Amino acid sequence: KAGVTQTPRYLIKTRGQQVTLSCSPISGHRSVSWYQQTPGQGLQFLFEYFSETQRNKGNFPGRFSGRQFSNSRSEMNVSTLELGDSALYLCASSAPGQGYNEQFFGPGTRLTVL
Amino acid sequence: QQQVKQSPQSLIVQKGGISIINCAYENTAFDYFPWYQQFPGKGPALLIAIRPDVSEKKEGRFTISFNKSAKQFSLHIMDSQPGDSATYFCAASYLIQGTLTFGKGTMLLVSP
Repeated sequence: KAGVTQTPRYLIKTRGQQVTLSCSPISGHRSVSWYQQTPGQGLQFLFEYFSETQRNKGNFPGRFSGRQFSNSRSEMNVSTLELGDSALYLCASSAPGQGYNEQFFGPGTRLTVL
Repeated sequence: QQQVKQSPQSLIVQKGGISIINCAYENTAFDYFPWYQQFPGKGPALLIAIRPDVSEKKEGRFTISFNKSAKQFSLHIMDSQPGDSATYFCAASYLIQGTLTFGKGTMLLVSP
């Protein structure tokens, strides 16, 4: 089975711009979660989508949003980028209800805001 | 409020030694405790996980010890190898679903 894929792998943007990141989960996984990883704050939960519905949301401003499509692929969007948004954005997929809450991560998208 | 505290922040172990990383959690409703391993430039990879109804789980050189009354769990890496050099994250969640709450991570260096 192919793993979680994320595109693009690297992005450089300037303050005020917006960005869209994409995540394709493992085949058959219907839950997609997004995390932000920074050296200072570590791994922080952004939001989770299941069957095209946002099921959980972390403590991030409204500039961060996401969506999930009928094929379980997910996108997250960050508007009005700030320098502090520079981070590794990780997507994880899981198959809730099939036992354990095993979440499998993609390689991440490295976002740099200048 | 940090709900999962991880220590130490960094650890240097000689090849063949035992690496021990500790975590403590606050939310007693958590019932799933995974450990993730992350290499530079890669996403975290699930290493091993435990449920609170067992006190220990072993997979190869990796063992999780769990103390429910103390709300603590730890990762032991036996016969540590240079290839184990990575950042390790503990996490806590609910068994069936839910978000992962991560510790801050431990950077492990295994010297040859």
